[in-house]
Amino acid sequence: EIVMTQSPATLSVSPGERATLSCRASQSVSSNLAWYQQKPGQAPRLLIYGASTRATGIPARFSGSGSGTEFTLTISSLQSEDFAVYYCQQYNNWPVTFGQGTKLEIK
Amino acid sequence: EVQLVQSGAEVKKPGESLKISCKGSGYSFTSYWIGWVRQMPGKGLEWMGIIYPGDSDTRYSPSFQGQVTISADKSISTAYLQWSSLKASDTAMYYCARQGGGMDVWGQGTTVTVSS
Repeated sequence: EIVMTQSPATLSVSPGERATLSCRASQSVSSNLAWYQQKPGQAPRLLIYGASTRATGIPARFSGSGSGTEFTLTISSLQSEDFAVYYCQQYNNWPVTFGQGTKLEIK
Repeated sequence: EVQLVQSGAEVKKPGESLKISCKGSGYSFTSYWIGWVRQMPGKGLEWMGIIYPGDSDTRYSPSFQGQVTISADKSISTAYLQWSSLKASDTAMYYCARQGGGMDVWGQGTTVTVSS
């Protein structure tokens, strides 16, 4: 099973600033990596798939990069609605696995 | 509109059985995998398993293999997650989601509470 490790566990950033979230895979997942946003009381929402492709309707301030074992989600200028928990997920191998999440909080 | 609609909240006792559902609409249900994800209270997302309704090919996470059964009825565009004997530790929110390049469509979630 591929283990996905996200860092940091919590990230405190001010509105308008840039946030950088990291995700590492225990072995290569090629570019089969997705990022999700989850707000309290809501289902997760797909942000990025294929490591760098924005899902339908996702603002351009969200970008993904990386391949193999190292991945990054960048939010270029944080809006109030972006404070949430973010998860990475690999779907290169069965079983599909999620990272443990990064909580993005207001500084 | 593409959507997945899940069955309602359940309250059960330990040892009881349960089957929850996830109905797809607005797309070809047999052409996409449907996965199930558990979220225990205050915790992260755990991928449980997945089914391809077109041929019922099913895969499980080792953590959930033997603990749950995933099935689908393509005639009514519905996937299922079932337990034969619930435990208190099965208390969680359960989501179904369509798996393409990432899980792009999610159900609203079904809360399962297991308590004596």
